[in-house]
Amino acid sequence: EIVLTQSPGTVSLSPGERASLSCRASQSVSSSSLAWFQQKPGQAPRLLIYGASGRATGVPDRFTGSGSGTDFTLTISRLEPEDFAVYYCQQLGSSVPTFGPGTKVDIK
Amino acid sequence: QVQLVQSGAEVKKPGASVKVSCKASGYTLTSYYMHWVRQAPGQGLEWIGIINPSTTTTSYAQKLQGRVTMTRDTSTSTVYMELNSLRSEDTAVYYCAREYRLMMSRLFDYWGQGTLVTVSP
Repeated sequence: EIVLTQSPGTVSLSPGERASLSCRASQSVSSSSLAWFQQKPGQAPRLLIYGASGRATGVPDRFTGSGSGTDFTLTISRLEPEDFAVYYCQQLGSSVPTFGPGTKVDIK
Repeated sequence: QVQLVQSGAEVKKPGASVKVSCKASGYTLTSYYMHWVRQAPGQGLEWIGIINPSTTTTSYAQKLQGRVTMTRDTSTSTVYMELNSLRSEDTAVYYCAREYRLMMSRLFDYWGQGTLVTVSP
């Protein structure tokens, strides 16, 4: 099973600031199988990024995914009030999909 | 438009079983795989398993093997997840999520609203 580690666990930022969230895999992951989700309290996860860098339908261009191999990054260029949430990375490349533990982005 | 609508919250005693439904609309059920994911209170996301609604082929997370069963009813476009021998640690919100394949990518594009299953004496 591929283990995903996310850092930081929590980051406190102000609206307008840039957020960089890291996802590291225990072994190499196909870029086509790496996704990022946003989750707000009481809601289902929402797909933001697929294939490491593809933006899902309706996702603003301030969200950018990058990386390959074992290191992936989600960047939010300028935080909007609605972006404060928990973000999960996910790999679907192996027979057992796995999720990272999440990064909480909260308001400073 | 694609929608996945899940059944309502459940409260069960330890040792009991629960069956959660996920009704799909806006697309043909048999055209896409369906996954189940759960989230314990305040915790992260845990993959439970996958069903191919076309062939009924399933694959489950090793830790739940033997206790979980996924089925489907094509006449109602509904998939089901049944979990037996419930324990307190099974208390979680259970989600169904559709898998979409785009070129080389696999993605969970639509999710149900979640079903809270509480296991309590």
